[in-house]
Amino acid sequence: DAKTTQPNSMESNEEEPVHLPCNHSTISGTDYIHWYRQLPSQGPEYVIHGLTSNVNNRMASLAIAEDRKSSTLILHRATLRDAAVYYCILRPYSGGGADGLTFGKGTHLIIQP
Amino acid sequence: NAGVTQTPKFRVLKTGQSMTLLCAQDMNHEYMYWYRQDPGMGLRLIHYSVGEGTTAKGEVPDGYNVSRLKKQNFLLGLESAAPSQTSVYFCASSRLAGGSYEQYFGPGTRLTVT
Repeated sequence: DAKTTQPNSMESNEEEPVHLPCNHSTISGTDYIHWYRQLPSQGPEYVIHGLTSNVNNRMASLAIAEDRKSSTLILHRATLRDAAVYYCILRPYSGGGADGLTFGKGTHLIIQP
Repeated sequence: NAGVTQTPKFRVLKTGQSMTLLCAQDMNHEYMYWYRQDPGMGLRLIHYSVGEGTTAKGEVPDGYNVSRLKKQNFLLGLESAAPSQTSVYFCASSRLAGGSYEQYFGPGTRLTVT
C-alpha cells in the first residue's frame, strides 16, 4: 500500500469540529482513501472511505484535495467518545480487496471536556 | 446482527501449550482476516481467507495455522505457544462497498503466554 503521513497526536475540545489531516503524495489513480479508528481497548472501526469526491456519512466527512495528495477527516462535533487513534489507509481498487490493511501509527486524538 | 465475534476474550497459556481462537461473522462476508496487535503498535496481518476452504499467509504467519471450513467461521491455531505470541488478536471480515472493501473487526482476544 502507498504510504500515508499523519500527525502523531492532536487535541480538541468537546463539541467542537475536528480536522484530522493525512498526506499521501504517492497515491495512485486507483487508490481509495480509507479511515479507521481504534478506541481504547477495542478493535478498529471503519469510519469512511472515498476516491475523488468528498464523502459524508453518519460518523464523519472526508474531504479530498483536488490533486488527491492529501485528505482530511472531519468530525463535525467531537464528543469524548471520539477519543481514539485514527488511521488513514490507502487501499487499491476492489481487485485488491483480499489483502489485509496496513496500519501505520495513526493520529492519537485527545478530546478535552 | 452480532457482526464479528471472537472467543475467548482472554486467555493465559504456558509456553508450549496449544489453543484455538474462534472468529465468527454473521454478515455473509467472503473475506476474513486475523491480525495481531502488540503494545503501542499497529495491527499486523497473520493470515487471511478469500472464501470457504481457502487460506493465505499474511505478514507474520509463523507459529500460527488457520482454517476456514465454514464461510462464517475463521479459526486461528497456536500449536506450541511462545512468549513472543503474547498479544491482542483481532479478527475481521470485509465487504465490497462503494468500489472498495470495508473491514469490520471483532472485539479482540487478549492472549498472554508465560
